[in-house]
Amino acid sequence: AQSVAQPEDQVNVAEGNPLTVKCTYSVSGNPYLFWYVQYPNRGLQFLLKYITGDNLVKGSYGFEAEFNKSQTSFHLKKPSALVSDSALYFCAVRDITGGSYIPTFGRGTSLIVHP
Amino acid sequence: DTGVSQNPRHKITKRGQNVTFRCDPISEHNRLYWYRQTLGQGPEFLTYFQNEAQLEKSRLLSDRFSAERPKGSFSTLEIQRTEQGDSAMYLCASSRSGKQWNEQFFGPGTRLTVL
Repeated sequence: AQSVAQPEDQVNVAEGNPLTVKCTYSVSGNPYLFWYVQYPNRGLQFLLKYITGDNLVKGSYGFEAEFNKSQTSFHLKKPSALVSDSALYFCAVRDITGGSYIPTFGRGTSLIVHP
Repeated sequence: DTGVSQNPRHKITKRGQNVTFRCDPISEHNRLYWYRQTLGQGPEFLTYFQNEAQLEKSRLLSDRFSAERPKGSFSTLEIQRTEQGDSAMYLCASSRSGKQWNEQFFGPGTRLTVL
C-alpha cells in the first residue's frame, strides 16, 4: 500500500522569504515521488520528481525538493518566494514494488505568498 | 496547444441523467488516466488505459461509471444515473510509456454539478 500526507492545509510566507511545503509518504518498497502545482481553473502541472540518486531534486520555477529516506519525507522548497507562487501544491507517491503506474496524491497544501 | 484537452469544461445535470466526458491526450502518450477531485482533496484515481486496453480500475469506479479508449487515442468517461455525490472535478492525464516514473500531464478538468 502507498500513502502520502501533507500535514499543512495552508502555508503562509512573505514574498522574498524561503518557503517549505511538507510531504511525508509511506510505501512498501522504494518510492517515486512527485510534486505538482495547481493554479485556479487550471490542471495540475508537474514540478519535479525523485527517482533515485541525489536526494536534492531541482525542478521548474526555482523549486527544489529534498528526499529523506529515514524520515520518509519529500519536502518542497524554494529559497525566495514570489507572489505568483501562490497556488495549491500536491505531493504524490508511487511504490516501485509491484510496477503500478498509479500514484497516490496528498490532499494538497495551499501556499499563500504575501507581498 | 499540444497539451491534454478535456470537454466540456463544465457540465450541470439533473440527478438521474447520464453524462459523458471526453479527454484528448498528448498525441504521443500511450497511457491515459482518469481521476476525480473533490474540494479539499487531491486527485483520486479512477481508471487507467495503456493504448486501448483498460488496465486498472479503482473501487471508486462503480457500475454506473464506464470508460473507453476505443482507438488508443481519445477517451470517454460516462456516468449513468448521476447522483449528487458524483459532483466533482474529473481530471484526465496522460503519460509516455516505457518508464514507471514518467510524470503525468493533466488536462484542465471537467467540473460536474449534479442538481
